[in-house]
Amino acid sequence: DTAVSQTPKYLVTQMGNDKSIKCEQNLGHDTMYWYKQDSKKFLKIMFSYNNKELIINETVPNRFSPKSPDKAHLNLHINSLELGDSAVYFCASSHPGRSDTQYFGPGTRLTVL
Amino acid sequence: AQSVTQLDSQVPVFEEAPVELRCNYSSSVSVYLFWYVQYPNQGLQLLLKYLSGSTLVKGINGFEAEFNKSQTSFHLRKPSVHISDTAEYFCAVTFNDYKLSFGAGTTVTVRA
Repeated sequence: DTAVSQTPKYLVTQMGNDKSIKCEQNLGHDTMYWYKQDSKKFLKIMFSYNNKELIINETVPNRFSPKSPDKAHLNLHINSLELGDSAVYFCASSHPGRSDTQYFGPGTRLTVL
Repeated sequence: AQSVTQLDSQVPVFEEAPVELRCNYSSSVSVYLFWYVQYPNQGLQLLLKYLSGSTLVKGINGFEAEFNKSQTSFHLRKPSVHISDTAEYFCAVTFNDYKLSFGAGTTVTVRA
């Protein structure tokens, strides 16, 4: 059984387009996250939701909008895509604690042309 | 300032040799420490974590790490690596919130 799943796995699109990435977890976790991994493999948190409520919002352009319809889903919508948005985006989930293990999805490789 | 530093960006190693990956952190608050592994084209998977207690932590796949509070380090070791250990390894820390702050990663390449 897949614990944290993301769709699509690959996304190739033109500059200026709007796209969404979906994430679902079946672990019963209350907290979900989006991370961005750049071309140098550096990982940085973008957002975190706890029980559908936004709790972490790093300095991410407002073209990025997370949406959590329920605590098992956290989607990422990106408006007006730019070249610099090309990266691998990872969704993760955990119980709500500093010591809790985060479980990561397989990633979505976004390429903006 | 709070930070996580992985001292080696690339570590080539021969099969069955030992490997050590170094991680240091800087923090004025108590921390929780993690090592994650990312196999090629996959997501991240937890290897081990240190929360409290014994400073030597054992993880999956034969890895272990030692927390050293005075040195603010959490180095990862494996006594004998396999080709399948070729991957990217990330040290990560939670400081005073839920956020995982990652080091820049260490690429381990195991050669026959």
